[in-house]
Amino acid sequence: NAGVTQTPKFQVLKTGQSMTLQCAQDMNHEYMSWYRQDPGMGLRLIHYSVGAGITDQGEVPNGYNVSRSTTEDFPLRLLSAAPSQTSVYFCASSFLPGQGPPEAFFGQGTRLTVV
Amino acid sequence: AQSVSQHNHHVILSEAASLELGCNYSYGGTVNLFWYVQYPGQHLQLLLKYFSGDPLVKGIKGFEAEFIKSKFSFNLRKPSVQWSDTAEYFCAVNARGNTGKLIFGQGTTLQVKP
Repeated sequence: NAGVTQTPKFQVLKTGQSMTLQCAQDMNHEYMSWYRQDPGMGLRLIHYSVGAGITDQGEVPNGYNVSRSTTEDFPLRLLSAAPSQTSVYFCASSFLPGQGPPEAFFGQGTRLTVV
Repeated sequence: AQSVSQHNHHVILSEAASLELGCNYSYGGTVNLFWYVQYPGQHLQLLLKYFSGDPLVKGIKGFEAEFIKSKFSFNLRKPSVQWSDTAEYFCAVNARGNTGKLIFGQGTTLQVKP
């Protein structure tokens, strides 16, 4: 049981390049999310999904696209990378237990540098 | 919209000192509340969570938090910190019924001196 797997772990991009950060979970969780972590800013929600085929914007969606064609995968696409997108990106999956709050599981993160 | 504010950005303590990290949230409806910890180089791990019932919740590693509804607060406490508690701590809120949308505070870096 791998949990939430993010690839790659590290990436350097040139300004204007595009790329996709991969996120896969093997826990059959309905909900998946992408966050970016910047010093002094905490984690900010980029996009999230409440199930296959359904996505919504978070706090900082500009410059990023997502899709959710399967329950397992939730890729994050940078359309035209900018230095302001240099950050550590975390993917999370979560589920709602029968009783209690949702439980979230986080991936190991992708450290992205845009030069 | 929900928002979360953590008052302390950087806290330095000696081992055995007591810890209290402040967290206030802004949201008019019912929320679930969480504290996460991130050890250096690692991903986030759940420390504790509040859903309903007793406002004093206990988590892992001796941490506890108290939900005060009238103050919109969910402060994290530990009576005696250890060097291994050195980490970044995040408070987060999730509006009830909006699973998957966690809103985080800015984080507090805790440094415990041996």
